Amino acid sequence: DAGVTQSPTHLIKTRGQHVTLRCSPISGHKSVSWYQQVLGQGPQFIFQYYEKEERGRGNFPDRFSARQFPNYSSELNVNALLLGDSALYLCASSLGYRAGDYEQYFGPGTRLTVT
Amino acid sequence: RKEVEQDPGPFNVPEGATVAFNCTYSNSASQSFFWYRQDCRKEPKLLMSVYSSGNEDGRFTAQLNRASQYISLLIRDSKLSDSATYLCVVPATGGGNKLTFGTGTQLKVEL
Repeated sequence: DAGVTQSPTHLIKTRGQHVTLRCSPISGHKSVSWYQQVLGQGPQFIFQYYEKEERGRGNFPDRFSARQFPNYSSELNVNALLLGDSALYLCASSLGYRAGDYEQYFGPGTRLTVT
Repeated sequence: RKEVEQDPGPFNVPEGATVAFNCTYSNSASQSFFWYRQDCRKEPKLLMSVYSSGNEDGRFTAQLNRASQYISLLIRDSKLSDSATYLCVVPATGGGNKLTFGTGTQLKVEL
């Protein structure tokens, strides 16, 4: 069975540019969450989408946005990139809505470098 | 107080040793907890779930102390392949899929 897939694997952008990251959840999973992991830190929650609706948002600026499509895949968009946005962006999928009830499976991540 | 705190390590231990990691959390309403393992430049993977006082899976034992609000992970008979970063994770209470991660504890098992 295919796991969570993310594209691209690596990306290099310059300050001020825009980036779109993509995630396909495990088949049958309706919840997708996005996390940012900077070097030396644990992942930080950005968004959760469940059944195509935003169900949670972390402490990130409005430059970060996301959406979920009818097939439950998701996109994370970041505008006006800053050097500090350089990080590993992880997508996690799960069957249900509540974090304590369902295991979340992480994709391999997209490594974004902003120069 | 941070939501989830861990000793970042690194813990350097010889093969066969027993090693323990501690994690403290701030939300007394939290009911469930996770330990994730993350290899260098890879994604986190679930190692253990802790819903009551503890959980055991082979060489790995997780314990929960609700009164003191800490979770521990014990690894017995360490293997070289156990070298990784171990992340303490607390899920959101009251709904939603948010996971709050600690900074992780790095373990290096040596010959």
